[in-house]
Amino acid sequence: GQQVMQIPQYQHVQEGEDFTTYCNSSTTLSNIQWYKQRPGGHPVFLIQLVKSGEVKKQKRLTFQFGEAKKNSSLHITATQTTDVGTYFCAVPRAGTASKLTFGTGTRLQVTL
Amino acid sequence: DAGITQSPRHKVTETGTPVTLRCHQTENHRYMYWYRQDPGHGLRLIHYSYGVKDTDKGEVSDGYSVSRSKTEDFLLTLESATSSQTSVYFCAISGSSGNTIYFGEGSWLTVV
Repeated sequence: GQQVMQIPQYQHVQEGEDFTTYCNSSTTLSNIQWYKQRPGGHPVFLIQLVKSGEVKKQKRLTFQFGEAKKNSSLHITATQTTDVGTYFCAVPRAGTASKLTFGTGTRLQVTL
Repeated sequence: DAGITQSPRHKVTETGTPVTLRCHQTENHRYMYWYRQDPGHGLRLIHYSYGVKDTDKGEVSDGYSVSRSKTEDFLLTLESATSSQTSVYFCAISGSSGNTIYFGEGSWLTVV
């Protein structure tokens, strides 16, 4: 069955350092979405990637979709304490576009 | 934030009792979902709905049932709660299949 692996599970950085989380699928994806969940909060949509090799930026966040459309990454440049939270990738469940499978998430802790 | 209201937000119940969680949306979105979130497992889909009276199972549907009698309401019922169903439950909505999912603020359920 479809598997979505997200690494690392946890990362602790000093403010100002960079951070990257990776999402890997066992199958080719039609698209991939990224969500952020602040501690005690609910997941919030960040972005959707559709095209092979696509790169999108949102201020300090850079999202990439692999050429083979099986992996994706989220890179944060110069982290801030406001970046604290868990970052999830989400992919359409195999055989359907209406259900998403979420990765297990990467929890980011940022300290001063 | 999308117009999604979950109730109750917090509940403690005893093993064996029935529990119903309610999700109400004001966005007139077609798709509605119930996810549960547990440490180490990320977000897992319980059930989803693609229209009034149209529902389908997710990956962890055992022990849960759902109903959608109106576009705006999606109910999740635990017929006989067990301690393994202690979790945070998130309702989510989507305007079209595979599109951005918007989450409610969550319902914290503890089964003792």
